[in-house]
Amino acid sequence: GENVEQHPSTLSVQEGDSAVIKCTYSDSASNYFPWYKQELGKRPQLIIDIRSNVGEKKDQRIAVTLNKTAKHFSLHITETQPEDSAVYFCAASYGYSTLTFGKGTMLLVSP
Amino acid sequence: NAGVTQTPKFRILKIGQSMTLQCTQDMNHNYMYWYRQDPGMGLKLIYYSVGAGITDKGEVPNGYNVSRSTTEDFPLRLELAAPSQTSVYFCASSYSGRAGIKGETQYFGPGTRLLVL
Repeated sequence: GENVEQHPSTLSVQEGDSAVIKCTYSDSASNYFPWYKQELGKRPQLIIDIRSNVGEKKDQRIAVTLNKTAKHFSLHITETQPEDSAVYFCAASYGYSTLTFGKGTMLLVSP
Repeated sequence: NAGVTQTPKFRILKIGQSMTLQCTQDMNHNYMYWYRQDPGMGLKLIYYSVGAGITDKGEVPNGYNVSRSTTEDFPLRLELAAPSQTSVYFCASSYSGRAGIKGETQYFGPGTRLLVL
């Protein structure tokens, strides 16, 4: 089955800096890659996703890039703010398979 | 729309007790999922359903059972609770289960925190 590795496990940045979280996947058939944000004590919520026919997608301060050849995808957050502090999860799936999640990255943004 | 709702929010069980975690969605989604989230770990799929009357095992199904008699409800049953089942349980739903097809986004409920002592 699919295996998703996520790095780093924790990331501390200063407000205004950029943050990058990277994920690798094992199954070359995977074609859908969502990113979820989970604030402390809350439910995971989708923040951005990308399909394999697209190399990059942006939504305001958030962007995701996909390298199908290397089988990795990354989340980029620019101009970080304290409210970006949360745990971020990447995931991958293909066809009718279920999502396989990474173990998460705790992002801490210091004022 | 209330989205995905779960009850209870928190429960303490004694070893060997049983309970049912409730999950309801009002978005007319076909696909529903149960995940558990242990500290420092990602979400692991317990069971999922592609529609009423159809369920299938996920990555960690042992010790759990599910049923799907309606589109809206997807209860998770714990039989003979064990300390290893201490976790946060999330229910999720999606319109489509097909990756890369619009509607595959999974929407999560608020979670049930379960402590087995």
